Amino acid sequence: DAGVIQSPRHEVTEMGQEVTLRCKPISGHNSLFWYRQTMMRGLELLIYFNNNVPIDDSGMPEDRFSAKMPNASFSTLKIQPSEPRDSAVYFCASSFGRANNEQFFGPGTRLTVL
Amino acid sequence: DAKTTQPTSMDCAEGRAANLPCNHSTISGNEYVYWYRQIHSQGPQYIIHGLKNNETNEMASLIITEDRKSSTLILPHATLRDTAVYYCIVRVLSNFGNEKLTFGTGTRLTIIP
Repeated sequence: DAGVIQSPRHEVTEMGQEVTLRCKPISGHNSLFWYRQTMMRGLELLIYFNNNVPIDDSGMPEDRFSAKMPNASFSTLKIQPSEPRDSAVYFCASSFGRANNEQFFGPGTRLTVL
Repeated sequence: DAKTTQPTSMDCAEGRAANLPCNHSTISGNEYVYWYRQIHSQGPQYIIHGLKNNETNEMASLIITEDRKSSTLILPHATLRDTAVYYCIVRVLSNFGNEKLTFGTGTRLTIIP
């Protein structure tokens, strides 16, 4: 398996633009997580899905952020409009709900908002 | 999830055992201890987890005290590739609900040649 796939790997955009980050979880996994990492705040959970249903979105910073999981093999995290403080590395992770709940992380998307 | 306390940083000589401590004095009976690590610029990687018994896998050993208020991750023969930030996390293993990971600041382990 190729592991969790994220695209793009790097994104540079200007303030006010819409940004869409994409994630393909590992096949067969039924939980998907979006995290954000910054120097100031560390690694923080934004939202997670179980069987394509959002379970906990309490970490989503504000209404400018939205996430969807239309099917078991694809998820998006959208920021509209983007702001410089959104600059961070965004990680997607997936896991098989039971088992040991090990989460497999993707390589991340480094977002820079100018 | 219970809060954990880890040293900010540690050094270890290459080839020696690296022992990373973690305090979780408020851990609940149904909470597991998980360890992840993050090598520079990569996503976190699962290492090991346990409830109350000591655990060992191909990467590391996990020693949990009898009162479960602290644990130690042991990398038996550290290599330069083990240089990373190591996160100790406690969380429940529920059937459906709370499966999220709450990352603290972790321990930055540097392996010295």
